Amino acid sequence: EAQVTQNPRYLITVTGKKLTVTCSQNMNHEYMSWYRQDPGLGLRQIYYSMNVEVTDKGDVPEGYKVSRKEKRNFPLILESPSPNQTSLYFCASSLTGQGGYTEAFFGQGTRLTVV
Amino acid sequence: QQPVQSPQAVILREGEDAVINCSSSKALYSVHWYRQKHGEAPVFLMILLKGGEQKGHEKISASFNEKKQQSSLYLTASQLSYSGTYFCGTASFSGTYKYIFGTGTRLKVLA
Repeated sequence: EAQVTQNPRYLITVTGKKLTVTCSQNMNHEYMSWYRQDPGLGLRQIYYSMNVEVTDKGDVPEGYKVSRKEKRNFPLILESPSPNQTSLYFCASSLTGQGGYTEAFFGQGTRLTVV
Repeated sequence: QQPVQSPQAVILREGEDAVINCSSSKALYSVHWYRQKHGEAPVFLMILLKGGEQKGHEKISASFNEKKQQSSLYLTASQLSYSGTYFCGTASFSGTYKYIFGTGTRLKVLA
């Protein structure tokens, strides 16, 4: 089954404790991206990756890191989480991201709470 | 810079129609529409890639006015299953990899 898998689904952590949210897709998609969703603000892009080893900042990259060492995986790293990073996070992939030509497939979401 | 969607929220009775608008301050190259049920991931509805293009998906269709930098989603004869939050997603030119979603429209269909 074609899917994007995120883990964990729920996470409560303390300020400053490094964490990683994993994202994996099995569709051989070139493009992957991370979004955060907050009430009233919709989905905002954090980082995106056009292909292996190629990443770039979205609209809200501060406090986040990403890496794309393999085509299927695109982890999101919070080196020192803060309470303002409490949010619902989505990973998404598409065949190609250029110009928004192709549809995005979303993971199930990760609800992160930083206390 | 986020595309602005209107209305922010709408309540309908089953069988009624609704229009959701997505307006951008930047030129639009492509527009996607997604629906998100509460607590779930957004699900793709359709892509519009050319100015003036209209697409249909069952009783849901959309238009793209390149000159006005806006897109509209039309839901006809709404069903309970249409409830959710609708997002437009946009790319501003053909070479960009940056993708921006609209502010969202909450739609509730009542029996």
